[in-house]
Amino acid sequence: DSGVTQTPKHLITATGQRVTLRCSPRSGDLSVYWYQQSLDQGLQFLIQYYNGEERAKGNILERFSAQQFPDLHSELNLSSLELGDSALYFCASSVADSNQPQHFGDGTRLSIL
Amino acid sequence: AQRVTQPEKLLSVFKGAPVELKCNYSYSGSPELFWYVQYSRQRLQLLLRHISRESIKGFTADLNKGETSFHLKKPFAQEEDSAMYYCAPPGGSQGNLIFGKGTKLSVKP
Repeated sequence: DSGVTQTPKHLITATGQRVTLRCSPRSGDLSVYWYQQSLDQGLQFLIQYYNGEERAKGNILERFSAQQFPDLHSELNLSSLELGDSALYFCASSVADSNQPQHFGDGTRLSIL
Repeated sequence: AQRVTQPEKLLSVFKGAPVELKCNYSYSGSPELFWYVQYSRQRLQLLLRHISRESIKGFTADLNKGETSFHLKKPFAQEEDSAMYYCAPPGGSQGNLIFGKGTKLSVKP
């Protein structure tokens, strides 16, 4: 058990819809990262938050947004969903904001019908 | 931009054979490199980091700054080593990691 909790485990929805994925980091970790894993693109970094502030942005679409709350949990919002958004979305956390090992959650499997 | 290359998509070996999973990176600073393992589309697990110079599950990795490589090695592969392996250098000044495409290791009995 990594200590990182992601909910829900599975999500099935339709194109055009909006969903929210939730992540609770390990106790004591201030940084949260979101990654998307799809069969054709591999693991892609989306966005990082550190202690409530956005720290780095990767290949995150404008339809996607995220935030980290004062209790350090994070949410990833995906809107106007398309078939290509079907993927496994991982959250990871680390103690600091750089050069630290990241601990991954079990992921949320998103299926768009 | 930082890059990482794992040249082999699939590596298939027999049980007991040596294994080397290749990783080359481009990074301008002093890298803190990691290897992660993913079993059957489960969560990624940290396998090892170069700075600790540990051996986890019999795997080791040596950082070669001259060749900008961080290959993962194990002298005797086991069937339970079958998984996806990802090399991950840092993405830059921030903390995110850049993951390679991964190498699928298949250890046959």
